[in-house]
Amino acid sequence: DIVMTQTPLYSRVTLGQPASISCRSSRSLVHSDGNTYLSWLQQRPGQPPRLLIYEISNRFSGVPDRFSGSGAGTDFTLKISRVEAEDVGVYYCMQATQFPVTFGGGTKVEIK
Amino acid sequence: QVQLVESGGGVVQPGRSLRLSCAASGFTLRTYSMHWVRQAPGKGLEWVAIISYDGSNKYYADSVKGRFTVSRDDSKNTLDLQMNSLRPEDTAVYYCVRPGYSNSWYPNWFDPWGQGTLVSVSS
Repeated sequence: DIVMTQTPLYSRVTLGQPASISCRSSRSLVHSDGNTYLSWLQQRPGQPPRLLIYEISNRFSGVPDRFSGSGAGTDFTLKISRVEAEDVGVYYCMQATQFPVTFGGGTKVEIK
Repeated sequence: QVQLVESGGGVVQPGRSLRLSCAASGFTLRTYSMHWVRQAPGKGLEWVAIISYDGSNKYYADSVKGRFTVSRDDSKNTLDLQMNSLRPEDTAVYYCVRPGYSNSWYPNWFDPWGQGTLVSVSS
């Protein structure tokens, strides 16, 4: 199985400041079709996960442009340019290049 | 509006069975492979199973293989997860999720997610 490792586990950020989450996979996530199926999910307290970013850097419909994704191969990053109160929650990276689908352990974002 | 609504969760004793259902609306279910993902209380996400869009292929996480069975009834727009020989470690919120692309075995990404249904395995 592909292991997804996220850092940091916790991120305490001042409102309006940036935040960055790293995700590393144990193997390259480039699929045989040439795409890289790395996505980012947000889970607000008491809510189901919600798709933010798919295929490394594509913002899903309705996702604010302060969220951005980057990376390639085995190293990926989610950035929030200016953290807002509604961004509190746990963020997960997910790989769907190879079965079984696997998730990072999550990064909890809190406001200072 | 694309929507998934899970049901069937509850409290069950170890070794017993439970059947979860997922009602899909707002899209043509039969064109999508569908997945189940679970989340133990306070823990991260774990992929559980996939059923192909035509129902001909299924694949399971090692942790549930041989105990769980995924099925679909496209005439009713529903997805089911039959869970047998339940263990305390199966305690979790179970989500059904749709992948980004239709008519594909590969999951790519997941949206939408339902609200989930809680399964608690305890004596």
